[in-house]
Amino acid sequence: EVQLVESGGGLVKPGGSLRLSCAASGFIFSNAWMNWVRQAPGKGLEWVGRIKSYAVGGAIDYAAPVKGRFTISRDDSKNMLYLQVNSLKTEDTAVYYCTTSGCSDGTCFSNWGQGTLVTVSS
Amino acid sequence: QSALTQPASVSGSPGQSITISCTGTSSDVGGYNYVSWYQLHPGKAPKLLISEVSNRPSGVSNRFSGSKSGYTASLTISGLQAEDEADYYCSSYTSSSPYVFGTGTKVTVL
Repeated sequence: EVQLVESGGGLVKPGGSLRLSCAASGFIFSNAWMNWVRQAPGKGLEWVGRIKSYAVGGAIDYAAPVKGRFTISRDDSKNMLYLQVNSLKTEDTAVYYCTTSGCSDGTCFSNWGQGTLVTVSS
Repeated sequence: QSALTQPASVSGSPGQSITISCTGTSSDVGGYNYVSWYQLHPGKAPKLLISEVSNRPSGVSNRFSGSKSGYTASLTISGLQAEDEADYYCSSYTSSSPYVFGTGTKVTVL
């Protein structure tokens, strides 16, 4: 059974940083393309970024609102996905989900974790 | 990249069928057969219901079906049940950013 467990969320002041983690199990993590998706309180889902598997080059893409502030990385030896979030703004307050890419060419989000809440407030 | 347009809410009585629309542009919904649908229950992990417009992953009830016409994709829930009360989001591959989500639809079972 695929399991994705996020951690690392919390309360942080504007301008602060956090590192979110996602522990993966139940599938061959090194082959998986992984994403972060967020949902602000009362708002819709927003794709944050994606890291492909190293087998296809490990390319990383980010959504425009987080480019330059957020960094996605992975440790295939530990089956872990990370999201380093820097220069946080109040509008970054959201539940952050770790997801696997699936379907043809990674065009859907096959499996999701339960999310970790990041609150940016002074 | 603007969010895909969904109705804010849709409601129906148990046993009825409802349809949720998801409207985009030629750069996303209209340009690719890569529309997927997700169900969100509060406090639970989101769930993939439909991929590539109309494919239902193993384990998803056949009461959920998807289709697309032009720039609009649709999710139909037939035989509506109380457990279907949730938020639903569409998503599409796009030519600019890899992915865009819809604005979300709250389904209420009357």
